[in-house]
Amino acid sequence: DAKTTQPNSMESNEEEPVHLPCNHSTISGTDYIHWYRQLPSQGPEYVIHGLTSNVNNRMASLAIAEDRKSSTLILHRATLRDAAVYYCILLNNNAGNMLTFGGGTRLMVKP
Amino acid sequence: DGGITQSPKYLFRKEGQNVTLSCEQNLNHDAMYWYRQDPGQGLRLIYYSQIVNDFQKGDIAEGYSVSREKKESFPLTVTSAQKNPTAFYLCASSISHGKKQFFGPGTRLTVL
Repeated sequence: DAKTTQPNSMESNEEEPVHLPCNHSTISGTDYIHWYRQLPSQGPEYVIHGLTSNVNNRMASLAIAEDRKSSTLILHRATLRDAAVYYCILLNNNAGNMLTFGGGTRLMVKP
Repeated sequence: DGGITQSPKYLFRKEGQNVTLSCEQNLNHDAMYWYRQDPGQGLRLIYYSQIVNDFQKGDIAEGYSVSREKKESFPLTVTSAQKNPTAFYLCASSISHGKKQFFGPGTRLTVL
């Protein structure tokens, strides 16, 4: 299974942009890059996903490197409610592929 | 409102007792999943079901059992064979297998 590597933790100031990196050097051509986040004592929630092109939605932006070996989740203006663990996951739509959650990045937002 | 519900939020059991955790969804999703999360760790897959009356073991199925008799429901039984059952249990569903997953609020099980 293709794996991802993320920093254990990051800090940000409120209302500043946050760039959360993810390395996935063994990604295959059909792997989608998914991001989920988990607030304390809650279930994870889907944030965004992409294949090759950069993606934007109301929650975040996803910047994917040209070689697809890394990606960056961008929160444009961090709020205290964005403090969570962010998981970068590779998902292949072939039958049998699962979301595999690693340790993620714990984002702390300072007021 | 559509969503996934898990009950109860907190559950306490004595060692050696079986316990069943409830998971219900009204999203009309075909696929459902059970994960376990230990403190400070990521999620690990216990069982998943792609369709009614079918389910497969995940990475840590030993000591657990599931059933999928209805599309909306995917209960998980933690049996006495599970060596360390105390954990946070999360249920999820997706429109079909491999698509983005929607998670319930979780059940925190403590075995005394």
